[in-house]
Amino acid sequence: ETGVTQSPTHLIKTRGQQVTLRCSSQSGHNTVSWYQQALGQGPQFIFQYYREEENGRGNFPPRFSGLQFPNYSSELNVNALELDDSALYLCASRSTGGDTEAFFGQGTRLTVV
Amino acid sequence: AQSVTQLGSHVSVSEGALVLLRCNYSSSVPPYLFWYVQYPNQGLQLLLKYTSAATLVKGINGFEAEFKKSETSFHLTKPSAHMSDAAEYFCAVSDRGTGFQKLVFGTGTRLLVSP
Repeated sequence: ETGVTQSPTHLIKTRGQQVTLRCSSQSGHNTVSWYQQALGQGPQFIFQYYREEENGRGNFPPRFSGLQFPNYSSELNVNALELDDSALYLCASRSTGGDTEAFFGQGTRLTVV
Repeated sequence: AQSVTQLGSHVSVSEGALVLLRCNYSSSVPPYLFWYVQYPNQGLQLLLKYTSAATLVKGINGFEAEFKKSETSFHLTKPSAHMSDAAEYFCAVSDRGTGFQKLVFGTGTRLLVSP
């Protein structure tokens, strides 16, 4: 059984650019969530995808968007990057059920300069 | 809105000493509660979770936590600290539901273990 993998591991972008982060879910998991973890903070929920549809969103602006594919892998897209978008972005996958364990990837460290 | 408060951004213990990391939650109904650990440059790993009537929950690596509704607490303990326990620990809460899971995390507690 493979775990959750994210790519790339590190990324440097310029303010105003767009970025795409990728996540491969753990085998058998149909739900993917994305979290933003700023330095020294706990992760903040961005959104969740279930069966290719967004079914929950945190307090993030529309320039944060996502996709989930038929194989349950996922992308996080951020447009018009701002300096405050610099953070560790974590992807978590799980099977259906509010009490099931979310398995996290190692994250993508995004730096906006 | 749900929230989690972790008391103490840093906790220092000696190897072999008791580990106690504090977490208090705010929720209108009994929620699901989780403890995660994060090692440097890593993602989060689940230590344990509370989802049922069993108030004392045992997790991996010798950790356990007790759900106390009257105190709205879910403190994490380990009888004897190891050097390998040094990491960042996050308490998280989510609503009880059938499918949607939004984890609301605390700000974390960094555990330092000295020889």
